[in-house]
Amino acid sequence: AQSVTQLGSHVSVSEGALVLLRCNYSSSVPPYLFWYVQYPNQGLQLLLKYTTGATLVKGINGFEAEFKKSETSFHLTKPSAHMSDAAEYFCAIYNAGNMLTFGGGTRLMVKP
Amino acid sequence: EPEVTQTPSHQVTQMGQEVILRCVPISNHLYFYWYRQILGQKVEFLVSFYNNEISEKSEIFDDQFSVERPDGSNFTLKIRSTKLEDSAMYFCASSETSLSEQYFGPGTRLTVT
Repeated sequence: AQSVTQLGSHVSVSEGALVLLRCNYSSSVPPYLFWYVQYPNQGLQLLLKYTTGATLVKGINGFEAEFKKSETSFHLTKPSAHMSDAAEYFCAIYNAGNMLTFGGGTRLMVKP
Repeated sequence: EPEVTQTPSHQVTQMGQEVILRCVPISNHLYFYWYRQILGQKVEFLVSFYNNEISEKSEIFDDQFSVERPDGSNFTLKIRSTKLEDSAMYFCASSETSLSEQYFGPGTRLTVT
């Protein structure tokens, strides 16, 4: 079965600094990868997805992620953090049966 | 923009009671899902549903759980006899095709006392 691992359950950055949230995957087939964001007391919102094609994927709110097969990684980045980016971020991978398997999540804190 | 809706937003029930969580998926979507998130833990898959049948279910989805699409718009999750450990946020999701992105509802917080 396919799986993802998120390194770092908590990440703290200053406003304006680079955001880097790490996700590594394990998959026996070409993976379909996703990043979701969860704001406090809200549901999951899709940030971006990778299926096939271009390995640099741009999403909403200025986020992007790069699929690196050689490193089995799909890290999420944003050049300049904003206070409104504070949330929990989940990396996810598709498994058989249309099942999304999520990582443990990374809580992003943004300091003024 | 179309969205998945869920009702109620919060449900409190006593142990042993039956609960039904309701979802209205995006109208042109054909695949439906339930996930849950116990407080402080990762989001876990429960079940996927297509063409009025369960496509896949996890080990969590035991005999006390059932899903139904009673009409053309609603998708429900029933927990027959709730346990304390069923307390969680339950998310409904839908997708247009089997591998397209899944859109999540805002969740129902279930509290079992």
